[in-house]
Amino acid sequence: GAGVSQSPSNKVTEKGKDVELRCDPISGHTALYWYRQSLGQGLEFLIYFQGNSAPDKSGLPSDRFSAERTGGSVSTLTIQRTQQEDSAVYLCASSSSGTGGSAFFGQGTRLTVV
Amino acid sequence: AQTVTQSQPEMSVQEAETVTLSCTYDTSESDYYLFWYKQPPSRQMILVIRQEAYKQQNATENRFSVNFQKAAKSFSLKISDSQLGDAAMYFCAYRSAFLTGNEKLTFGTGTRLTIIP
Repeated sequence: GAGVSQSPSNKVTEKGKDVELRCDPISGHTALYWYRQSLGQGLEFLIYFQGNSAPDKSGLPSDRFSAERTGGSVSTLTIQRTQQEDSAVYLCASSSSGTGGSAFFGQGTRLTVV
Repeated sequence: AQTVTQSQPEMSVQEAETVTLSCTYDTSESDYYLFWYKQPPSRQMILVIRQEAYKQQNATENRFSVNFQKAAKSFSLKISDSQLGDAAMYFCAYRSAFLTGNEKLTFGTGTRLTIIP
């Protein structure tokens, strides 16, 4: 696609439910990042995928968070047993060697846990 | 670990004037990339400008330019002829240039820029 696409744009869920957030990176981009941005805050790194290498999961805040990337393309971030503190905007970005290190972001998914 | 510091939580500038946003970083690496991203209220992160550490020449993109001081680990953004559409949060970011599996972007805490008509 022309840009990084994230879905849904907004998600409201009840506390304790599981949610899945989807990211479709720019075609051909080998690297994919997930970040979390709480209201009025900076970007918190969650996870990074690079090609077929093992992902860097060092930013995942708890074992309720997981992510996978199928076929080196689409990625899904899953949050199990959601808590109110999980409410935030989840941003996905992708890059490749051809972008010279530059990462391009999707529009984000705003997650609200009620 | 790399860190990025933006010491100005908020800045304001008169329309058509020039403003400079500050960013410092800490790293032991010799080769890396630095970026400025803009985030308007729409929340879309937009890449404004990119600098490669091994290049001495400061990057420029139209009204946006940087002052990259590698020895001082400083990377400021200058916006000339400020426009109302420049109002946004601005984030400075660092990324290693070495493909070691540690290529995540590290962001500063952001500077909120207000344009005064």
